[in-house]
Amino acid sequence: GAVVSQHPSRVICKSGTSVKIECRSLDFQATTMFWYRQFPKQSLMLMATSNEGSKATYEQGVEKDKFLINHASLTLSTLTVTSAHPEDSSFYICSAVSGSRSYNEQFFGPGTRLTVL
Amino acid sequence: DAKTTQPTSMDCAEGRAANLPCNHSTISGNEYVYWYRQIHSQGPQYIIHGLKNNETNEMASLIITEDRKSSTLILPHATLRDTAVYYCIVRLPNTGNQFYFGTGTSLTVIP
Repeated sequence: GAVVSQHPSRVICKSGTSVKIECRSLDFQATTMFWYRQFPKQSLMLMATSNEGSKATYEQGVEKDKFLINHASLTLSTLTVTSAHPEDSSFYICSAVSGSRSYNEQFFGPGTRLTVL
Repeated sequence: DAKTTQPTSMDCAEGRAANLPCNHSTISGNEYVYWYRQIHSQGPQYIIHGLKNNETNEMASLIITEDRKSSTLILPHATLRDTAVYYCIVRLPNTGNQFYFGTGTSLTVIP
């Protein structure tokens, strides 16, 4: 089956620093990748849609200058949380869609837990 | 935009069938019904999807009503490892179309 990895799995940083999270599709080319955020005991909230070679599309209320998304290749998308604050502490999950599969199944990464001190 | 309604939580005895309902009364003709589950602190896992016919795979069965306004995910013989939050999502099957997650159903399988 298709595998999506995320790195790092867990990160702790100081307030004001920037953190980069990588999302990779390991055995397929992902035409589209999505980034989600999940707070404790809540559902996944879609942050942005990322297409290879083009600018990401952000959901309403998500600051594009704070959450920088780069989708440089068909197997890699990165999310950079700039000037992180404690309220940015959350579980960040990416997913990837393979256009070659007839029903466009979405494959999720294992998530990255960000803690901002 | 989740467009689905699910019970907040359910319990199921180990070895018995778990039946998880989902209401999607505003579903459009071309939208599929997808089911994912999320075990604590992990990424969601695909279970099954369907358009209008009932579907079965090695994990579960999906029963969609004739009017497509609701569906039921069936785990035929629940195990303790099936304890998770189960999400029902409706979506058009195109690559760029987003998955919007609702609140899901927290299923607890009891020994």
